Amino acid sequence: GAGVSQSPRYKVAKRGQDVALRCDPISGHVSLFWYQQALGQGPEFLTYFQNEAQLDKSGLPSDRFFAERPEGSVSTLKIQRTQQEDSAVYLCASSLGSGTGGFGQYFGPGTRLTVT
Amino acid sequence: QKEVEQNSGPLSVPEGAIASLNCTYSDRVSQSFFWYRQYSGKSPELIMSIYSNGDKEDGRFTAQLNKASQYVSLLIRDSQPSDSATYLCAVNMGGGSNYKLTFGKGTLLTVNP
Repeated sequence: GAGVSQSPRYKVAKRGQDVALRCDPISGHVSLFWYQQALGQGPEFLTYFQNEAQLDKSGLPSDRFFAERPEGSVSTLKIQRTQQEDSAVYLCASSLGSGTGGFGQYFGPGTRLTVT
Repeated sequence: QKEVEQNSGPLSVPEGAIASLNCTYSDRVSQSFFWYRQYSGKSPELIMSIYSNGDKEDGRFTAQLNKASQYVSLLIRDSQPSDSATYLCAVNMGGGSNYKLTFGKGTLLTVNP
């Protein structure tokens, strides 16, 4: 079946611009996660949705970062007034389970954001 | 600070050998453990999950978990050049309903033909 999809795959933004990154999870997956991966590092957690509810946003680096999943499927990560330190790969993952964990997370191809 | 530690490598093994990748974690109540493979320029791919102490085998891969020692490992038997990638250890820390994954920095594995 279809995996997690993300768009755009690559985004170049000038410092100060706003960007929106889209994630389409695996059909039927309740949980959706956003991670940020810097070069040479493991992914770092940003935020977690269970259906349309954002249950954890503790990893968002600043109030310039905002995520939503209004209908419990597609999610958008928005970054306002981009800064150079926002340059990274943004990964979306989805998972069948919810609540108690124990289910693997499946990643999309990522969006590589470069802020110039 | 909840942490997952891995040797960054690179780990180099000859084709056909066993590759052993190790990971330690700081949170004693962690319940779920995962290994991901990440090829250069690609996203992480889930290859193994383990939840109970002991060994779990899937094809050429074996995951080993020792919760008392807070240690999880991945063995790759009969290593192939196509196994060359970065292997990420990920832990669902905090137990219970804490669902986010904490990743190590990954170990770069090179399998030489």
